[in-house]
Amino acid sequence: EPEVTQTPSHQVTQMGQEVILRCVPISNHLYFYWYRQILGQKVEFLVSFYNNEISEKSEIFDDQFSVERPDGSNFTLKIRSTKLEDSAMYFCASSDGTGWQVVNQPQHFGDGTRLSIL
Amino acid sequence: AQRVTQPEKLLSVFKGAPVELKCNYSYSGSPELFWYVQYSRQRLQLLLRHISRESIKGFTADLNKGETSFHLKKPFAQEEDSAMYYCALSGGIQGAQKLVFGQGTRLTINP
Repeated sequence: EPEVTQTPSHQVTQMGQEVILRCVPISNHLYFYWYRQILGQKVEFLVSFYNNEISEKSEIFDDQFSVERPDGSNFTLKIRSTKLEDSAMYFCASSDGTGWQVVNQPQHFGDGTRLSIL
Repeated sequence: AQRVTQPEKLLSVFKGAPVELKCNYSYSGSPELFWYVQYSRQRLQLLLRHISRESIKGFTADLNKGETSFHLKKPFAQEEDSAMYYCALSGGIQGAQKLVFGQGTRLTINP
């Protein structure tokens, strides 16, 4: 069964440094998402992406964050200048956009990248 | 505002006993509700969604719009059901539907 893959599994970065988290969504999916989960808290939506542009973003997704689909397979989340509070598990997800029931397609999640800011 | 509440952080039951994981939501439109499960050392995976009205691994969930609830139930718990369970609501602009998650309930099935 096809899966969403995320790399690296764990990223340790100094505060103020830039970090890029990488995701390879399922190949025929058209909708891409990033979520994060701070330790002990709920999974929170960051951003959704479709047709090479952001569809929706949360209040968390400020100017320090950006997303990109640099080629036909990767979907990246960049944090320009990391802060201590960016430490969290970051999940990538994708969903199918084919067929008329596009709004009902479930999201498939990757294993996550644990980001630790020192 | 969209909100999902799972009142129990931890739930522990004995094998063979019935299980009910509670989920309440707040949403002004027509919600789409999901249950996701995360087994130990595995990724979040979809367990079931209300539009399917199906039973997966013996679990069912009925959307009750009057009570704004989407409780997950299983009549006879099994040890392999031990996992983290997240209730989620889908809302947002059509097409790219973000998920709003509850805080999750850690279910432990005791032998």
